[in-house]
Amino acid sequence: NAGVTQTPKFRVLKTGQSMTLLCAQDMNHEYMYWYRQDPGMGLRLIHYSVGEGTTAKGEVPDGYNVSRLKKQNFLLGLESAAPSQTSVYFCASSYDSYYEQYFGPGTRLTVT
Amino acid sequence: GQQVMQIPQYQHVQEGEDFTTYCNSSTTLSNIQWYKQRPGGHPVFLIQLVKSGEVKKQKRLTFQFGEAKKNSSLHITATQTTDVGTYFCAGYDNFNKFYFGSGTKLNVKP
Repeated sequence: NAGVTQTPKFRVLKTGQSMTLLCAQDMNHEYMYWYRQDPGMGLRLIHYSVGEGTTAKGEVPDGYNVSRLKKQNFLLGLESAAPSQTSVYFCASSYDSYYEQYFGPGTRLTVT
Repeated sequence: GQQVMQIPQYQHVQEGEDFTTYCNSSTTLSNIQWYKQRPGGHPVFLIQLVKSGEVKKQKRLTFQFGEAKKNSSLHITATQTTDVGTYFCAGYDNFNKFYFGSGTKLNVKP
């Protein structure tokens, strides 16, 4: 089992450009999450999904959109990147709420 | 809004010394999870506590959930260089929102 994978691992964008981060899990988990981690800070929840076809806002959703068309995939989109979105993005999945979360290796995004 | 703070933010210890990080929430939590993130890595789940006053041990690590379910602690006995990393607490509040704490970065000098 690969667990949780994320693509790409690194990306540099110019302000105003768009991109999509892909998260995939092979554990048949219902819940999936997108977090951002900034230096010296904890993880902040951007959006999450409680099942295929569902999404919900987390703590810091502005500037991001998500989709969960297939149970195993959770996409995070930036429509118009801003320097404030420079961060490390982690995807995670869990069997259900209140269960442990399994994290992907992260995507380091720089917006210039 | 909900805040989950951890203290200290950083801790430098000599190998063999003990280490404790404290997690404090502004509101009652339904559960507490602890994660460890190695430098350059991703968070890895350590344990979950759900009952008021619960204490769990994993070898040299002792986890405690406060009686009021608003705080928690992680204690490491006789630290080793392999303990280096950032330790995060996380939990669900009463509105079913999940929050991570700010983290404690541990450095262990050999």
